[in-house]
Amino acid sequence: ILNVEQSPQSLHVQEGDSTNFTCSFPSSNFYALHWYRWETAKSPEALFVMTLNGDEKKKGRISATLNTKEGYSYLYIKGSQPEDSATYLCAWPSNAGKSTFGDGTTLTVKP
Amino acid sequence: GAVVSQHPSRVICKSGTSVKIECRSLDFQATTMFWYRQFPKQSLMLMATSNEGSKATYEQGVEKDKFLINHASLTLSTLTVTSAHPEDSSFYICSAWDQGIQYFGAGTRLSVL
Repeated sequence: ILNVEQSPQSLHVQEGDSTNFTCSFPSSNFYALHWYRWETAKSPEALFVMTLNGDEKKKGRISATLNTKEGYSYLYIKGSQPEDSATYLCAWPSNAGKSTFGDGTTLTVKP
Repeated sequence: GAVVSQHPSRVICKSGTSVKIECRSLDFQATTMFWYRQFPKQSLMLMATSNEGSKATYEQGVEKDKFLINHASLTLSTLTVTSAHPEDSSFYICSAWDQGIQYFGAGTRLSVL
């Protein structure tokens, strides 16, 4: 059974703060790691597809890094805004399309 | 980008009734769709893989007679929770892949009284 773990479970920050969360996964037989952003009452939305060790991807104020040898990925948000409030999921997809998800980190950004 | 539409978003039913949930890919074709379930404070757990034109494959511990999956076209998969009981109350969400990206429906909150 694959174990994908995320920490922290929840995070409350003030507007303007920068923050980061962690996703850990088995380092053997790595295929890819995906990050999703999930706002309440909406569909989870793909943020990043990470495939190579040392990958660093950026989308606006959000960026992610990947270390496949030690089995972790970090998601960073610079200058958090209230609209960043959401649950951030990481997932380990198989080549058959099945995904193993972490429990998610729920971010609340207070104005 | 691609869109996956899921209906209904919420359903409340009496114990013993059956509930059908639809998952549609709106602007792409999906020969395979995935059904996940999420219990409170837990992660999304894969229930089954829906295959167009053939039988679904179920994950260990998921009752195929309880959760009937039909994937009759390249854009529609349905999940029917048969003879629902309170322990089936959960959040159900479908997904499909398009060009390496996984797209999700908005989910269905099922409450069985």
